[in-house]
Amino acid sequence: AQSVAQPEDQVNVAEGNPLTVKCTYSVSGNPYLFWYVQYPNRGLQFLLKYITGDNLVKGSYGFEAEFNKSQTSFHLKKPSALVSDSALYFCAVRPPINAGNNRKLIWGLGTSLAVNP
Amino acid sequence: NAGVTQTPKFRILKIGQSMTLQCTQDMNHNYMYWYRQDPGMGLKLIYYSVGAGITDKGEVPNGYNVSRSTTEDFPLRLELAAPSQTSVYFCASSDPQDIQYFGAGTRLSVL
Repeated sequence: AQSVAQPEDQVNVAEGNPLTVKCTYSVSGNPYLFWYVQYPNRGLQFLLKYITGDNLVKGSYGFEAEFNKSQTSFHLKKPSALVSDSALYFCAVRPPINAGNNRKLIWGLGTSLAVNP
Repeated sequence: NAGVTQTPKFRILKIGQSMTLQCTQDMNHNYMYWYRQDPGMGLKLIYYSVGAGITDKGEVPNGYNVSRSTTEDFPLRLELAAPSQTSVYFCASSDPQDIQYFGAGTRLSVL
């Protein structure tokens, strides 16, 4: 079955330190990969996506993500964390389009990031 | 730039009552989605639509209904509210690059 895993429920990091939020997936073919962020009491916001090309994708708010095909991973990174980065982060995958997929995303369960001052 | 607009923001229902959660988007997107979000459970797809007049079930459609009479609007109907439907509901639409845009959500309590 196709799935997305975010192995850490919570990540804690000190302000100014680098952060990584992990995501692995189990999807055949070449999927599209996404990261979204959800601030408290808000809807999800798109951060970045990978389709093809350079394995390092840059997105909003200084975030980037590294695609690793052999490890089927798409980890979110930021060189220097801010307290304002504290939020819930979701990884999502869109499998290759075929009959029945209809462009739906498969979502991870989310990782809560806490950046401590 | 309104994007995706959901109303109401909050609602308390009694068991057995019905209500409609409204969702409208002004980006002319064909694809629209309804999700529910429960703590620690991520997003569960309730229904989705690939265009006006076309809807299909997601992972958790029981107890809900949708319609899509226009490109802009995608209302979600709860017919007989149950405590298990207490959740936060998000509507989203997606662009041709499959980026989904979310509304601010409706927080529903069924008591």
